[in-house]
Amino acid sequence: IAGITQAPTSQILAAGRRMTLRCTQDMRHNAMYWYRQDLGLGLRLIHYSNTAGTTGKGEVPDGYSVSRANTDDFPLTLASAVPSQTSVYFCASSADRSGYGYTFGSGTRLTVV
Amino acid sequence: QKEVEQDPGPLSVPEGAIVSLNCTYSNSAFQYFMWYRQYSRKGPELLMYTYSSGNKEDGRFTAQVDKSSKYISLFIRDSQPSDSATYLCAMSDPTGGFKTIFGAGTRLFVKA
Repeated sequence: IAGITQAPTSQILAAGRRMTLRCTQDMRHNAMYWYRQDLGLGLRLIHYSNTAGTTGKGEVPDGYSVSRANTDDFPLTLASAVPSQTSVYFCASSADRSGYGYTFGSGTRLTVV
Repeated sequence: QKEVEQDPGPLSVPEGAIVSLNCTYSNSAFQYFMWYRQYSRKGPELLMYTYSSGNKEDGRFTAQVDKSSKYISLFIRDSQPSDSATYLCAMSDPTGGFKTIFGAGTRLFVKA
């Protein structure tokens, strides 16, 4: 089934630890995104990539890094996790940066303790 | 002030009711308007999108955009328990690198 696969589904992480959230898409979409979703705040963009080899900062990039070595994979790394990074993280993709039509993954629930 | 405002609800209606979900926005540069549906513990899925002003209908769903009032709506006719979900509006500005802003979402419960 075409779509986005995120791993892990959920994780409890000790503060200060490093963590990489994985995201893979099989739709050959050019653009990919990482969002966090918090109650009352909605979806906020962390980082994005318009095409393989390029990345950009979103609304809340501090404490996160991304890479886009190829079209399909877009991992998100927390270098040193803090409790405020407790959230649900969604990876998304779109054919291009045309403004509509995002496909989302099922999310990673991360708790930093 | 947030760029996009959406009442979080929850909104509870009986089965068969007409549901009206709304968002207001402040950025007049938004040109693309989307509605996403999100079931519990799932990712959002694109429900409808419109470009600029006007109406768009798809089955039981109708999306309306009023750019003069900076107001968008999603209507659900003959609501079903399976429509129970969180509905997020989203808007995109093509002049600003297609920055997309999401509303916080409205939780809808349709009672059988």
